[in-house]
Amino acid sequence: AQSVTQPDIHITVSEGASLELRCNYSYGATPYLFWYVQSPGQGLQLLLKYFSGDTLVQGIKGFEAEFKRSQSSFNLRKPSVHWSDAAEYFCAVKAAGNKLTFGGGTRVLVKP
Amino acid sequence: DGGITQSPKYLFRKEGQNVTLSCEQNLNHDAMYWYRQDPGQGLRLIYYSQIVNDFQKGDIAEGYSVSREKKESFPLTVTSAQKNPTAFYLCASLGDIQYFGAGTRLSVL
Repeated sequence: AQSVTQPDIHITVSEGASLELRCNYSYGATPYLFWYVQSPGQGLQLLLKYFSGDTLVQGIKGFEAEFKRSQSSFNLRKPSVHWSDAAEYFCAVKAAGNKLTFGGGTRVLVKP
Repeated sequence: DGGITQSPKYLFRKEGQNVTLSCEQNLNHDAMYWYRQDPGQGLRLIYYSQIVNDFQKGDIAEGYSVSREKKESFPLTVTSAQKNPTAFYLCASLGDIQYFGAGTRLSVL
């Protein structure tokens, strides 16, 4: 069965600093991978997705992610964090039956 | 605007009571999903429906029921058999990606 691990429950970063969120997945076939962001009390918004092709994927809000098959990873990065990036971030893998399996999430706090 | 509407935003349940959470979409999507979110546990799939009049159990279906009589609507009932219903519930539909509603927060009185 597929699974997604986000090793960091919380990350605190200073405004203007770089951010990297880790995601490791377990899935037998070629994965479809996603990063979503959730503001408090809100639904999830898609940041970016990887289906095939270029392993470096650009998303919205200045985020990017790199798919590394050899490491079963799909880490999310942003070069310079803004205070509005404080939120919870979820990595997900699409399995058979059009179901998504989500990681436990990483909450990002941004210091002024 | 196209999207997913969940109502109510906040809901309170009394002991022994069934409550129903509404989810409506105007995206013309066939597949719809219900997730439960608890702190630190990510999203867990309760039920999903790939087409009208059909639905399947997800990973944590016990204590919940659904119906899919119309393409646009996928209501979730939290029954009295669900002993720990306090959570944030998210509805989603599938197009090229999954689109999410804004959620319903359910608490027990």
